[in-house]
Amino acid sequence: NAGVTQTPKFQVLKTGQSMTLQCAQDMNHEYMSWYRQDPGMGLRLIHYSVGAGITDQGEVPNGYNVSRSTTEDFPLRLLSAAPSQTSVYFCASSGASHSYNEQFFGPGTRLTVL
Amino acid sequence: LAKTTQPISMDSYEGQEVNITCSHNNIATNDYITWYQQFPSQGPRFIIQGYKTKVTNEVASLFIPADRKSSTLSLPRVSLSDTAVYYCLVGDLSNDYKLSFGAGTTVTVRA
Repeated sequence: NAGVTQTPKFQVLKTGQSMTLQCAQDMNHEYMSWYRQDPGMGLRLIHYSVGAGITDQGEVPNGYNVSRSTTEDFPLRLLSAAPSQTSVYFCASSGASHSYNEQFFGPGTRLTVL
Repeated sequence: LAKTTQPISMDSYEGQEVNITCSHNNIATNDYITWYQQFPSQGPRFIIQGYKTKVTNEVASLFIPADRKSSTLSLPRVSLSDTAVYYCLVGDLSNDYKLSFGAGTTVTVRA
């Protein structure tokens, strides 16, 4: 099992550009989520999904869109990048096979917006 | 979401036991207590979860008193590689779908 994979590992954008951060899991987990982590801070929930076709907002959803067309994939789209979105982005998944509260995290995408 | 309070930082030495206490006064009946560990430049990693009393696994122990308003993560005989940030989370993703990570506790283990 690859677990949770994220691409790209690093990305630099200019203000106003858009891009998609990819996340995939091969554990057949129902629950997937996106967090952002700013330097020296904890993780903040952006969006989450409880299954294919179902998504909802977390604490800091503004400026981001998500979709969940399959169980495996949960991409995060930045609509118009802003310097305030410079952060490390983590995708996570969990499901009934372990415990919903036992989230498996990807390695992260380090995003810089100039 | 239940709010949690934990110390910002703790120092220890190799071979000692480290105990991190988390306060969660407004924990709900359905909430579990979950702890994660995060190393620099990595995603968090699940350590342990409990509902009440004591839970132990190969990595840590979790002590939860009867009123469940606090919990203590115990790391036995720490090594340098246990230097990390430890997060206490309270909730139940199977019901609430949201768990909140606070600032965590930075544990530094010295030789």
